[in-house]
Amino acid sequence: GNSVTQMEGPVTLSEEAFLTINCTYTATGYPSLFWYVQYPGEGLQLLLKATKADDKGSNKGFEATYRKETTSFHLEKGSVQVSDSAVYFCALSKETSGSRLTFGEGTQLTVNP
Amino acid sequence: DTAVSQTPKYLVTQMGNDKSIKCEQNLGHDTMYWYKQDSKKFLKIMFSYNNKELIINETVPNRFSPKSPDKAHLNLHINSLELGDSAVYFCASSRPTGSRLFFGSGTQLSVL
Repeated sequence: GNSVTQMEGPVTLSEEAFLTINCTYTATGYPSLFWYVQYPGEGLQLLLKATKADDKGSNKGFEATYRKETTSFHLEKGSVQVSDSAVYFCALSKETSGSRLTFGEGTQLTVNP
Repeated sequence: DTAVSQTPKYLVTQMGNDKSIKCEQNLGHDTMYWYKQDSKKFLKIMFSYNNKELIINETVPNRFSPKSPDKAHLNLHINSLELGDSAVYFCASSRPTGSRLFFGSGTQLSVL
């Protein structure tokens, strides 16, 4: 079956530090890959996505590249801010199953001033 | 205007009670979902409806019964609540073939 594995949290960084949150997946075929973000007390929001190999998704300074050879979709940001503190979820979707998403375990990020 | 709204935001109740959580979306989507998020933030799909028809029903106790009166609403009714049902429940919606989910802000259920 499909699965997503994220690096364990929590991750604590100082403001302006470089961020990497690792994500690897297991799936047959060619899934679409996503990063969702959950701010405190809120529902999840789509952060970025990539639908085919070598695509790079980007938004709000965050980037992730779909690497089929390593089955990875690592999230990166060059300089984090306190406002980036949230839980980040990696997810995949198989188009044949519609919008059903398989989520990773989530990684808690805390950014200190 | 909130795209996906669910009520109540907090629900505290005793074991054995029956409770409902309501969800409404104004995005015109045909597909709606219920997800359960446990205390470790792990998110798992429970149900999915497409145009009022059940299409995903994960291994969820029969005490949980979704109801979709129309494609803009998907309510979750829970009978005989148990301690282990304590979690945050999220409603979400999407287009049938689109992969982006729009989530509500969640309902924190605490069973005492």
